[in-house]
Amino acid sequence: QVQLQESGPGLVKPSQTLSLTCTVSGGSITSGGFYWSWIRQHPGKGLEWIGYIYYSGSPYYNPSLKSRVTISLDASKKQFSLRLISVTAADTAIYYCSRGAFTGFDYWGPGTLATVSS
Amino acid sequence: DIQLTQSPSSLSASVGDRVTITCRASQSITIYLNWYQQKSGKAPKLLISAASSLQSGVPSRFSGSGSGTDFTLTISSLQPEDFATYFCQQSFSTPWTFGQGTKVDIK
Repeated sequence: QVQLQESGPGLVKPSQTLSLTCTVSGGSITSGGFYWSWIRQHPGKGLEWIGYIYYSGSPYYNPSLKSRVTISLDASKKQFSLRLISVTAADTAIYYCSRGAFTGFDYWGPGTLATVSS
Repeated sequence: DIQLTQSPSSLSASVGDRVTITCRASQSITIYLNWYQQKSGKAPKLLISAASSLQSGVPSRFSGSGSGTDFTLTISSLQPEDFATYFCQQSFSTPWTFGQGTKVDIK
């Protein structure tokens, strides 16, 4: 059973950088066909896909956030990470990591609330 | 970007009711449409992939249909544990996008 767990600071100051890590257990992070993704949900709102990284290291970002996002992968630690720069209050959201494929996001972390506030 | 529009945005139903939620795509996505259930405070759960393929462990009262631009999620007999918000999501092309959600609550 694949499990994912997000970790990182819950509070970030405006204009600073949000950094989150997702640790994968119970399965391989280097299996082909899976796109290790970050998804966020503003409080009480819908879901926004931020981007993914493939096991070979190729990332793809949502154009709406592309200029501020970096997703990286450390296979030796079975982790992938999100870095979002120049945050504002509009980036306050629950951030989920998930395993994606063309058949949907089948495993999710429980989510972590990141609040942008001074 | 491919836009997904769900209807209705919310509905009230009783236990035992048949519930239908629709998802319309702004362009053809063939069958690359997935459905999720999200309960309060929890991560979404994948129910149906590729328009009609039921995920392992998901009750058979859930079913999906459609192709192209129009898709449907049906709950044949609503159970108490089914009160939740449901999202559709397209995996046809990046950026992958979600519908705005349909909240199903108790009548």
